[in-house]
Amino acid sequence: AQKITQTQPGMFVQEKEAVTLDCTYDTSDPSYGLFWYKQPSSGEMIFLIYQGSYDQQNATEGRYSLNFQKARKSANLVISASQLGDSAMYFCAMRAEGSTLGRLYFGRGTQLTVWP
Amino acid sequence: DAMVIQNPRYQVTQFGKPVTLSCSQTLNHNVMYWYQQKSSQAPKLLFHYYDKDFNNEADTPDNFQSRRPNTSFCFLDIRSPGLGDAAMYLCATSRWSRVTDTQYFGPGTRLTVL
Repeated sequence: AQKITQTQPGMFVQEKEAVTLDCTYDTSDPSYGLFWYKQPSSGEMIFLIYQGSYDQQNATEGRYSLNFQKARKSANLVISASQLGDSAMYFCAMRAEGSTLGRLYFGRGTQLTVWP
Repeated sequence: DAMVIQNPRYQVTQFGKPVTLSCSQTLNHNVMYWYQQKSSQAPKLLFHYYDKDFNNEADTPDNFQSRRPNTSFCFLDIRSPGLGDAAMYLCATSRWSRVTDTQYFGPGTRLTVL
């Protein structure tokens, strides 16, 4: 079975500062993908960044980077230079080789608030 | 721009009155998913289509049905909505079902049941 754990229900960060959102996962599959999504109050789930289990380098997409520590089974999202528009719910998700038709397993999410 | 479109964005229905939610995609993806998301919770997968093959999650109530008449469109039918079905319904697509394939979501339909 696959499991995603996000232990921070809420995080606060000041504008222009960096913030790390935690995510740990559990799977017995050697091949898996890790995803981060942003969900603003409007409800749309926006894809941010992807990390594959065999990728040697940490993924980066603009201000987003993924701190992937395979041995610890963690995939933390780092947002640099936070902006007010970053305030949203952030979900970590995983897709494993053994998952039925590639279903995504989501964590419970972290609500990020960026203040001026 | 290629995208996932959901209509309507907001739907109000009465208890027990059937409702249909629509999803279309211009990505030409093979797999389409329907998720239910209740307030402050993670999305919950209801079912998905791989091309025309339908796959129902074991705990999806019989009240929920889906149709995929062609590659571009997928519908979610709620036959007799109850108050507990009020939620955000998210449609997603992915090209294939490999671990490397990203799921792209539509903007969602927020369903209210009176």
